[in-house]
Amino acid sequence: DAKTTQPNSMESNEEEPVHLPCNHSTISGTDYIHWYRQLPSQGPEYVIHGLTSNVNNRMASLAIAEDRKSSTLILHRATLRDAAVYYCILRDRWQNFVFGPGTRLSVLP
Amino acid sequence: GAVVSQHPSRVICKSGTSVKIECRSLDFQATTMFWYRQFPKQSLMLMATSNEGSKATYEQGVEKDKFLINHASLTLSTLTVTSAHPEDSSFYICSARSRGAALTGELFFGEGSRLTVL
Repeated sequence: DAKTTQPNSMESNEEEPVHLPCNHSTISGTDYIHWYRQLPSQGPEYVIHGLTSNVNNRMASLAIAEDRKSSTLILHRATLRDAAVYYCILRDRWQNFVFGPGTRLSVLP
Repeated sequence: GAVVSQHPSRVICKSGTSVKIECRSLDFQATTMFWYRQFPKQSLMLMATSNEGSKATYEQGVEKDKFLINHASLTLSTLTVTSAHPEDSSFYICSARSRGAALTGELFFGEGSRLTVL
């Protein structure tokens, strides 16, 4: 199954952009790239997903490399409420979501 | 976005008792529901996948007789932890996917249920 690699943790200052990287070198042609985030003691929250083209929504932007072996979640202006664990996930062939360790984002005031 | 609700959010029980956790999709029909378990400072681990009207598919290492999953309707799935023991204490999270989002769409997650077994 395709897997993802993310940094364990990142820090950002409030009001600054944040770029969260994800490597998925074994991605297959039909795998969608999904991003979720989890605040403490809560279930994961959908952020964004895409296949090949860059995607934008009200929460974030997703930049996907041309070879699809990596992607970057972009938070344009980090707020304290964005502090969470961010998961980059590839939907596997059984349509399951397999969570890796994710990136713990800290936002400094 | 779509809403998935779990109940109870917290439960404390004595060792040897059974606990039922409910997962409801409030504004869509969930053809598939997933149950995850999360231990402190760890990621979510998929326990089982359930499709409405059929038996759940359990991940390797998850005891189906201990974690009973029922998905009797398109809006409700239940997880029953039978004869719970302290090592079953964990954060249990359900997620649901609508019929229309089977191939490409996102999952919607419940708020999670924290089980503490004394």
